[in-house]
Amino acid sequence: ETGVTQSPTHLIKTRGQQVTLRCSSQSGHNTVSWYQQALGQGPQFIFQYYREEENGRGNFPPRFSGLQFPNYSSELNVNALELDDSALYLCASTRDSYGYTFGSGTRLTVV
Amino acid sequence: GQQLNQSPQSMFIQEGEDVSMNCTSSSIFNTWLWYKQDPGEGPVLLIALYKAGELTSNGRLTAQFGITRKDSFLNISASIPSDVGIYFCAGVQRGAGNKLTFGGGTRVLVKP
Repeated sequence: ETGVTQSPTHLIKTRGQQVTLRCSSQSGHNTVSWYQQALGQGPQFIFQYYREEENGRGNFPPRFSGLQFPNYSSELNVNALELDDSALYLCASTRDSYGYTFGSGTRLTVV
Repeated sequence: GQQLNQSPQSMFIQEGEDVSMNCTSSSIFNTWLWYKQDPGEGPVLLIALYKAGELTSNGRLTAQFGITRKDSFLNISASIPSDVGIYFCAGVQRGAGNKLTFGGGTRVLVKP
């Protein structure tokens, strides 16, 4: 059983640029969530997708958007990057409630 | 911002010691989860609690879902070096789907 894999592992972008982060869910998992984890803090919920539709969103602006594909892989897109967007971005998938499996994350640095 | 308050923020352990940490909130949560995060990795689920008053163990770990549904506790018995890491509590509220609200974490370090 494969786990959750995220790519890339590290990324450096310039302020104002756009970025796409990718997540491959654990086999059989149809729900995926994305979290932002700033240094020294707990993860913050960005949004969740279930069967290719967004069904929950945290307190993040519209420039944070996502997609879930038929194979349940997912993307997180961030437009107009700001310095404060520098963080670890975590993807988590589940087949049932709460049993989320997290990936190792993508470390995004905005300069 | 964070709705869950974890304490202590950090702690030093000596091998063999028991350690405790807790998580409190002003809001009610219907599910409490405890995760451990090692450097460069994502959080790994340790224990899940689904009912008020529930006490659940996973090896040397024991966690409790507070009666008021506003707090939870995690105990680690007979700590070993690999217990070092950051422990997060997370809660799920009714009507919030599967959204996890995380605490700020408790950093467990080894005494020099």
